[in-house]
Amino acid sequence: AQSVTQPDIHITVSEGASLELRCNYSYGATPYLFWYVQSPGQGLQLLLKYFSGDTLVQGIKGFEAEFKRSQSSFNLRKPSVHWSDAAEYFCAVGGGLTGGGNKLTFGTGTQLKVEL
Amino acid sequence: NAGVTQTPKFRVLKTGQSMTLLCAQDMNHEYMYWYRQDPGMGLRLIHYSVGEGTTAKGEVPDGYNVSRLKKQNFLLGLESAAPSQTSVYFCASRVSGTFYNEQFFGPGTRLTVL
Repeated sequence: AQSVTQPDIHITVSEGASLELRCNYSYGATPYLFWYVQSPGQGLQLLLKYFSGDTLVQGIKGFEAEFKRSQSSFNLRKPSVHWSDAAEYFCAVGGGLTGGGNKLTFGTGTQLKVEL
Repeated sequence: NAGVTQTPKFRVLKTGQSMTLLCAQDMNHEYMYWYRQDPGMGLRLIHYSVGEGTTAKGEVPDGYNVSRLKKQNFLLGLESAAPSQTSVYFCASRVSGTFYNEQFFGPGTRLTVL
């Protein structure tokens, strides 16, 4: 069964500081990996995704993530955080087909607080 | 394009009442999903549909029913609401094809069952 672990429930960083959010996955084959962001009271928005190719993936809003197969990780990074980045971030792994339909398995999320 | 919309945005029910949540998408997507989001648990899949007239169970289907009579709509029903169904419900949709395709999410419905 596929699973995702986000070990950090809450993270606080200062504006302008760098950010790394951790994500570890368990999946039996080549994983489809996603990072979504959820602003308060909003739905989820895709930041970036990975399936194959270059293990460093660029996304929107200046985010990037690196796929490391040996560590089963897909950590999200940003060199300089802005106050508007305060939100909840979800890592997800795709696959798990049974009868069709890509089913995403989500981590429990990391709440990011940005101090001014 | 409105994308994925959900109706209603908020609802309060009493235990035992029934209701239907409506999800609509105008992107001509084949696949649609219903998730629930609870604190500390991320999003969990309730039911999904790979096309008009087809539905399938997800991770937490008990107490819910769904219907996909029209391609653009995906309804989630609670026949007899329970306090354990207090949650935020999200609908999502995506094009068919590879697993790589992004799911697009609606803004959510916040449901409280008293």
